Amino acid sequence: EAQVTQNPRYLITVTGKKLTVTCSQNMNHEYMSWYRQDPGLGLRQIYYSMNVEVTDKGDVPEGYKVSRKEKRNFPLILESPSPNQTSLYFCASSLSGTDLYNSPLHFGNGTRLTVT
Amino acid sequence: KQEVTQIPAALSVPEGENLVLNCSFTDSAIYNLQWFRQDPGKGLTSLLLIQSSQREQTSGRLNASLDKSSGRSTLYIAASQPGDSATYLCAVRGSWGKSTFGDGTTLTVKP
Repeated sequence: EAQVTQNPRYLITVTGKKLTVTCSQNMNHEYMSWYRQDPGLGLRQIYYSMNVEVTDKGDVPEGYKVSRKEKRNFPLILESPSPNQTSLYFCASSLSGTDLYNSPLHFGNGTRLTVT
Repeated sequence: KQEVTQIPAALSVPEGENLVLNCSFTDSAIYNLQWFRQDPGKGLTSLLLIQSSQREQTSGRLNASLDKSSGRSTLYIAASQPGDSATYLCAVRGSWGKSTFGDGTTLTVKP
């Protein structure tokens, strides 16, 4: 089954304790992206990657890191989490290049992160 | 910078009604526009994607239209059902593959 898999689904941590949220897709997609969703602020893009070893900042990159060493994986790293990073996080993927026109974004089920 | 606006923010209708959700965007240089459904606390389910060269797409009781020149899209839901209750989001795909989302329309369909 074609899917985007995020882990964990729920995570509670303390301020300053490094964490990684994993994202994996099995559709051979070049494009992958991370979003956070907050009440009243909607979905905002954190980082995106057009292909392996190519990443770029979205609208709210501060406090986050990403890497794209393999096509299928795009982990989100919070090196020193703070309470304002408490949010619902989504990973998404799609084809890229000239396929952008007809390639929908596929979303994972989300990771609810709480930082105390 | 692309901005996406969805009107209304919330909508409540009786079961069986036809309804229209609106999405407007400021930059017409887009690859596509995608409509999603999101249930509370859940992920996003893709409903329809309209390429920039297309005018509309249909799937079952859903019909989405796109007028790129005026920066508008509508999602038409026919014969609404209580199971359609959810938040509906539109997203436009622009340069570098970046997607910009609207804040959504929360739909409640009353039995």
